[in-house]
Amino acid sequence: DSGVTQTPKHLITATGQRVTLRCSPRSGDLSVYWYQQSLDQGLQFLIQYYNGEERAKGNILERFSAQQFPDLHSELNLSSLELGDSALYFCASRGGALRGYTFGSGTRLTVV
Amino acid sequence: GQQLNQSPQSMFIQEGEDVSMNCTSSSIFNTWLWYKQDPGEGPVLLIALYKAGELTSNGRLTAQFGITRKDSFLNISASIPSDVGIYFCAGHSNAGNMLTFGGGTRLMVKP
Repeated sequence: DSGVTQTPKHLITATGQRVTLRCSPRSGDLSVYWYQQSLDQGLQFLIQYYNGEERAKGNILERFSAQQFPDLHSELNLSSLELGDSALYFCASRGGALRGYTFGSGTRLTVV
Repeated sequence: GQQLNQSPQSMFIQEGEDVSMNCTSSSIFNTWLWYKQDPGEGPVLLIALYKAGELTSNGRLTAQFGITRKDSFLNISASIPSDVGIYFCAGHSNAGNMLTFGGGTRLMVKP
């Protein structure tokens, strides 16, 4: 157990729908990062939050949004889903400059 | 944006052999990290490197942070079947404040 909790583990939904992925960071970590991993691909950075504020943005689509709540958990919202959005979505948390990024087990999203 | 080139893309080796993989970047990184990912799981941190020239070991794994800060390598000695998985390098830049990942090296070990 990495200490980073992601729910749900699997999600199957239809095109055009909206889903919310949830991440609870490791205790004490203020930063949360979201990554997308398509089949047999590397991890693509989507967005980062630090203590409730957006800090960095990667190649995140306008249909996707995220937020971090006062209890530091984060949610990634994906709307108007397309088949190409099917992927593994990972959350990672980080506690400071000298601490590595710790990843959750991911949410596998399948859009049908 | 920053690009990380990781090679080789895949390796199929005999148990007991040593393995070497590397990453190069067009940009400088302040931290290099090496992760292993098993199927259906998240990446697990193997080694973190924080200083140019640093050489760090973790059991049979050894990694180095290149002196130019634009490259890193990972060696695995005496491979065993449980080393199978995908290995990712990742670089962190203080300016970008995020991790950039290489494309991964898929390692297969034949018993």
